[in-house]
Amino acid sequence: QSVLTQPPSVSGAPGQRVTISCTGSSSNIGARYDVHWYQQLPGTAPKLLIYGNNNRPSGVPDRFSGSKSGTSASLAITGLQADDEADYYCQSFDRSLSGVVFGGGTKLTVL
Amino acid sequence: EVQLVEYGGGLVQPGGSLRLSCATSGFTVSSKYMSWVRQAPGKGLEWVSVIYSGGMTYYADSVKGRFTISRDNSKNTLYLQMNSLRVDDTAVYYCARADYGGPGYYFDYWGQGTLVTVSS
Repeated sequence: QSVLTQPPSVSGAPGQRVTISCTGSSSNIGARYDVHWYQQLPGTAPKLLIYGNNNRPSGVPDRFSGSKSGTSASLAITGLQADDEADYYCQSFDRSLSGVVFGGGTKLTVL
Repeated sequence: EVQLVEYGGGLVQPGGSLRLSCATSGFTVSSKYMSWVRQAPGKGLEWVSVIYSGGMTYYADSVKGRFTISRDNSKNTLYLQMNSLRVDDTAVYYCARADYGGPGYYFDYWGQGTLVTVSS
């Protein structure tokens, strides 16, 4: 079981908005460690999507946004497009484990 | 341009050893946190190990005592020595560069991954 909990799957129609949740605990997200998000297209390496809770690297469209509150975080994707279909992972740091922790991943299907 | 290229994966028997390498360019490996992250077939991402710029190393409990992360500053290369390999170590192993701006760190560049298969 992953330390961070994500829904296994979400779906939405083109143009719609979807959100992916990431729930942690008082030893990671709740301990004020930042949350980061990655997109993994089929057969490729993960790509940084959001860092520091709500910052986008250069080249990432502003359709992607992140937020964090308490022991949880969320990734929102607006204006869904077919090529957004991928696996999405949240990541933080856990002080009890002294290491990085990932969510189990969420598969986004664009209907 | 930042590039990370892993190599050294392959088929190994349970109990065997393997050394992965990650050749980097576009930055100085000793100035960054560097990590290994793995992904078992059809599964999610699992952090394996990190080496800080100062040289301190940390490991996931699942590999502690069996894996060793290191770097060669002269070659700008990261390594992962894997001993006492088990079937559940089978995964694609990614080399990743870390950055930080707040509490914790994140992975801003990833290699393409190298597949390690542990099987008899």
